[in-house]
Amino acid sequence: AAGVIQSPRHLIKEKRETATLKCYPIPRHDTVYWYQQGPGQDPQFLISFYEKMQSDKGSIPDRFSAQQFSDYHSELNMSSLELGDSALYFCASSLVGDIGRYNEQFFGPGTRLTVL
Amino acid sequence: GQQLNQSPQSMFIQEGEDVSMNCTSSSIFNTWLWYKQDPGEGPVLLIALYKAGELTSNGRLTAQFGITRKDSFLNISASIPSDVGIYFCAGQSWDSNYQLIWGAGTKLIIKP
Repeated sequence: AAGVIQSPRHLIKEKRETATLKCYPIPRHDTVYWYQQGPGQDPQFLISFYEKMQSDKGSIPDRFSAQQFSDYHSELNMSSLELGDSALYFCASSLVGDIGRYNEQFFGPGTRLTVL
Repeated sequence: GQQLNQSPQSMFIQEGEDVSMNCTSSSIFNTWLWYKQDPGEGPVLLIALYKAGELTSNGRLTAQFGITRKDSFLNISASIPSDVGIYFCAGQSWDSNYQLIWGAGTKLIIKP
């Protein structure tokens, strides 16, 4: 079965640079979520999109922005990168319209961002 | 913000032993999810629970949605080396707009 695809898998940036992470949800899924996970921590919710509209916002810094495109893929844009932004970034998708399984979020393999 | 209490934080077990971990919340949830995460990989959904009292199995894994709607447990029977990893519980309440609230994780280590 098709899974969530994320690219790139690894990214190394310098401080104050920008980065763009991409996510391709499972086909037919209508909701995309972005998470940040630091070492030894649980995933921290950043932002979500339902049917290409922002649906919820978590602890996303103002330096970050995201959008979902007409083909349902999503991009997380990160500017003025700081050392503390080094983390694993996960995208997850779900089919909120599925009454019986709407909360089942399926995660991608993640992008490991290292800021030097 | 709101967080789940997941215990134990880590477990050292022998291969073949049964494992049990649980999560509790101060508020009522309408969904409990259990995930497993291997190092450097994304969490993988193991079991989803939607009804109070529901008991669901997935192979050697069994999870239950507590009657009070404030807790859930995950059992792994006859552990094998590939069970090693971090197990997370995640819950969702009516007012969280599909946001998942996560436990801190249980790290499972199998002694050689």
